[in-house]
Amino acid sequence: DAGVTQSPTHLIKTRGQQVTLRCSPKSGHDTVSWYQQALGQGPQFIFQYYEEEERQRGNFPDRFSGHQFPNYSSELNVNALLLGDSALYLCASSLNPGTYNEQFFGPGTRLTVL
Amino acid sequence: KQEVTQIPAALSVPEGENLVLNCSFTDSAIYNLQWFRQDPGKGLTSLLLIQSSQREQTSGRLNASLDKSSGRSTLYIAASQPGDSATYLCAVIKGGKLIFGQGTTLQVKP
Repeated sequence: DAGVTQSPTHLIKTRGQQVTLRCSPKSGHDTVSWYQQALGQGPQFIFQYYEEEERQRGNFPDRFSGHQFPNYSSELNVNALLLGDSALYLCASSLNPGTYNEQFFGPGTRLTVL
Repeated sequence: KQEVTQIPAALSVPEGENLVLNCSFTDSAIYNLQWFRQDPGKGLTSLLLIQSSQREQTSGRLNASLDKSSGRSTLYIAASQPGDSATYLCAVIKGGKLIFGQGTTLQVKP
């Protein structure tokens, strides 16, 4: 049973550039959430996708956008990169956005903005 | 606004010791609470999920408790091993999203 997968593993960009991160959920899961984890901090919720729509959003600017495909995989896009966007980006999947469901995380994408 | 706090931020113990990690949250109207392990530079591994109606969950040497009325959860690790060295994160689940504490970094010395 394949778990949550993310690509790429590492990414280096310069300020002002745009980046796309990808996530495939655990088999059977239909909900994908994205989190940003700065060094030494707990992950912060960015947004959640279900049925190809953004269902919830955390306190992140519009430079952060996403998409969910019919096969439930998801992309996170960040425009106009800032140095402060350097972080580990984590994708989590669960079964529907119900509040009782365990979330499973992928290995993350390490983004470095120079 | 829900806030999650984990104390201590770091902990170092000798191998074989039993230990307790603490997690507190400000809003008792949570649905579930989940404990995770994170190795350096890696993703999160789910350890235990406690539903709001439960008081505790056990998996092997791990036992997690939940007291919603006091806004506290504890993760008990029995007979610690060097392989338990990692950062442990607790997260409350509310509205389908996870709200994390900053984690406790555990070092178990051989």
